[in-house]
Amino acid sequence: EAGVAQSPRYKIIEKRQSVAFWCNPISGHATLYWYQQILGQGPKLLIQFQNNGVVDDSQLPKDRFSAERLKGVDSTLKIQPAKLEDSAVYLCASSSLTRIRAFFGQGTRLTVV
Amino acid sequence: KQEVTQIPAALSVPEGENLVLNCSFTDSAIYNLQWFRQDPGKGLTSLLLIQSSQREQTSGRLNASLDKSSGRSTLYIAASQPGDSATYLCAVKWQGAQKLVFGQGTRLTINP
Repeated sequence: EAGVAQSPRYKIIEKRQSVAFWCNPISGHATLYWYQQILGQGPKLLIQFQNNGVVDDSQLPKDRFSAERLKGVDSTLKIQPAKLEDSAVYLCASSSLTRIRAFFGQGTRLTVV
Repeated sequence: KQEVTQIPAALSVPEGENLVLNCSFTDSAIYNLQWFRQDPGKGLTSLLLIQSSQREQTSGRLNASLDKSSGRSTLYIAASQPGDSATYLCAVKWQGAQKLVFGQGTRLTINP
């Protein structure tokens, strides 16, 4: 099966600019996750969708981060305005309702300067 | 608070050695535990998944064990090879929760 697709792979922006990341999960996977991984740390869940609905966004900085999953398929994560501390790898993952494992994309490496 | 800890943060061993990576977690009411591998600049690859009712899982040279009562899991790598060099992450899903909580990872280097 095709894997989780993310774009872009790399992005460099200046602080206070906005940026958007895109994720296309594995076909048929109802659950989609966005994780933030700061250098030297483990991934931290930002938001989890099940179909169109948000299951968990407790660690999403809602004053600057937003995410949507229209039609329950692909998803976008936006940061506006970006801060230096947002420099990280943003990982998207998906899983089906019946399978236990989550499959991860390659990630988008964001550098805020 | 439900947390996952991996120590050490980095480990370097000669090729051919058997080694053990450690993972500890608070709250023994887990649903499952996964070990992932992450290569530089890449996403995460799931290596082994242990359900809460299981004690261990094996895949090739890898063996993962789970001891819920002590809040620990180990990943055993036999006959290490330079290609095993990567960061290894442990992640736990607790009962009643939807998300995976990750440890900080152990960066493993196998020296030829």
